[in-house]
Amino acid sequence: DSGVTQTPKHLITATGQRVTLRCSPRSGDLSVYWYQQSLDQGLQFLIQYYNGEERAKGNILERFSAQQFPDLHSELNLSSLELGDSALYFCASSVTGNSPLHFGNGTRLTVT
Amino acid sequence: ELKVEQNPLFLSMQEGKNYTIYCNYSTTSDRLYWYRQDPGKSLESLFVLLSNGAVKQEGRLMASLDTKARLSTLHITAAVHDLSATYFCAGPLEGSGSRLTFGEGTQLTVNP
Repeated sequence: DSGVTQTPKHLITATGQRVTLRCSPRSGDLSVYWYQQSLDQGLQFLIQYYNGEERAKGNILERFSAQQFPDLHSELNLSSLELGDSALYFCASSVTGNSPLHFGNGTRLTVT
Repeated sequence: ELKVEQNPLFLSMQEGKNYTIYCNYSTTSDRLYWYRQDPGKSLESLFVLLSNGAVKQEGRLMASLDTKARLSTLHITAAVHDLSATYFCAGPLEGSGSRLTFGEGTQLTVNP
């Protein structure tokens, strides 16, 4: 158990809809990262937050947004969903420096 | 931006055999990570390699780093079925920092 908690585990929704994915980092970790894993794109870095502030953006679509709250949990909002957004979405957390990222169990999103 | 390439992408081997997975990266990086992922599951951190010549071992897995060659290897000794998984190498997106970019993954199947 990595200590990173993600909910829900599975999400099935229709095209055009909006969903919210939630992540609680490991106790003491200030950084949260969101990754998308799909068969054709592999593991793609989406966005990072550090102590409530956006730190970096990766390959995140404009339809997607995220935030980190004062209690350090984070939410990833996906809107105007398309079939191609179907993927496994991971949250990870870390302390600073050279520590590895610790991944949650992911949310499997299926857009129909 | 760091690019990470793994080979082979698919590896089928018999129990008891040895094999090596290779990870080449494109630019200077101050460290390299190896992760394991079981199907549909989270990513588990295996090794963090921080310096040239670093070697780490855990059970039947041994990882090494050659920063001059921009190459990391994951060596499997006397494979067992439980090692069947996908193995990823990863490095910092900008060569340093905490955001990681991942290779495509090597899907390892160990047959009895």
